[in-house]
Amino acid sequence: DGGITQSPKYLFRKEGQNVTLSCEQNLNHDAMYWYRQDPGQGLRLIYYSQIVNDFQKGDIAEGYSVSREKKESFPLTVTSAQKNPTAFYLCASTSGTGRNNEQFFGPGTRLTVL
Amino acid sequence: GQQVMQIPQYQHVQEGEDFTTYCNSSTTLSNIQWYKQRPGGHPVFLIQLVKSGEVKKQKRLTFQFGEAKKNSSLHITATQTTDVGTYFCAGPRTGANNLFFGTGTRLTVIP
Repeated sequence: DGGITQSPKYLFRKEGQNVTLSCEQNLNHDAMYWYRQDPGQGLRLIYYSQIVNDFQKGDIAEGYSVSREKKESFPLTVTSAQKNPTAFYLCASTSGTGRNNEQFFGPGTRLTVL
Repeated sequence: GQQVMQIPQYQHVQEGEDFTTYCNSSTTLSNIQWYKQRPGGHPVFLIQLVKSGEVKKQKRLTFQFGEAKKNSSLHITATQTTDVGTYFCAGPRTGANNLFFGTGTRLTVIP
């Protein structure tokens, strides 16, 4: 089955620790995205990548970092500089440019920082 | 900056009643997409509208794109408990190759 996988589903970390969320897709999509969703809120773009070895900041990139070394993978690191990291993190991908094509979402990772 | 607002933010309906959510963009959009997110789940693509005044139907769901391509609506006829979730609209972000998501409308259906 083609799709996007995110692991783990639930993640707990202590304050001050960096944590990396994984996102893998086997859809052969060029573009990948990371969103943050807070309870009862919409989707806010953190980072996106249109091509391997290239990525751009979204609306709320501060305190986050990403890499895109392989087409299939777009891991997100939540650093200790992120002041309020507890949230639901969604990874998505799309074919083409991303302006005109549907986005496919992974199941998400719910991060809780204690 | 670019804004995409949805109203209402929350809606409770009795099962069998109709439901409508409205999406309003601060900018003209080349297309608009709709997504549904079930409680505890992830957004799933429903449909894309491209043409001015376009109307598309999926069973009990009717989607419209405004003549000026700055607003859209989703209407559900005779809601069912399976319709529960948050509905998001999304349009191309100005000057970038990604989408700008609306604030969402959370639908609760009371059996």
